[in-house]
Amino acid sequence: NAGVMQNPRHLVRRRGQEARLRCSPMKGHSHVYWYRQLPEEGLKFMVYLQKENIIDESGMPKERFSAEFPKEGPSILRIQQVVRGDSAAYFCASSPGSPGYTNTEAFFGQGTRLTVV
Amino acid sequence: QQPVQSPQAVILREGEDAVINCSSSKALYSVHWYRQKHGEAPVFLMILLKGGEQKGHDKISASFNEKKQQSSLYLTASQLSYSGTYFCGTGGGDDKIIFGKGTRLHILP
Repeated sequence: NAGVMQNPRHLVRRRGQEARLRCSPMKGHSHVYWYRQLPEEGLKFMVYLQKENIIDESGMPKERFSAEFPKEGPSILRIQQVVRGDSAAYFCASSPGSPGYTNTEAFFGQGTRLTVV
Repeated sequence: QQPVQSPQAVILREGEDAVINCSSSKALYSVHWYRQKHGEAPVFLMILLKGGEQKGHDKISASFNEKKQQSSLYLTASQLSYSGTYFCGTGGGDDKIIFGKGTRLHILP
């Protein structure tokens, strides 16, 4: 059973370009979470999705950022017109249930390190 | 509301013990502990649910005091492999985990 797969591992974009980050959850997991991590900072919650639904996007900037988890295929975090401040590591986690209030662990992918130049 | 972790950083010699604390300003349903090594993914350590739960495996254990909205992670007889950043994540009854800023642990030989 493969773990959570994220790609690409490293992504370099020029200011103004678009960044697409992909996350394939573990088999059987229907809950996907995206977190952003800056150097020396914690994991900042961005968005929580289930298949074809955004459940909670309270941590995601209203502009330029969007996320989806289609019926088929990986979850995508999309950042339009990237700026230098978007440079960070973006982690995806998946779980089979809701880890917020159940005995369910979330498994993390290796992350995508986005650098905006 | 992001949980607060203390201390921010710890330096130990191999074999010493450490305690990492995590506190929240809101009611908690669960506490999740992860360890992350530099450049790697956070790795799950354990979950504690409400009710004064305590858990442990090997020489790493944790407690959860729901009344005080606090959790502590205990590392006993630390090993070099314990080095990394420890994150506590709190579940507040909705579906997401909110993480603290982490505690950096460095073990010296």
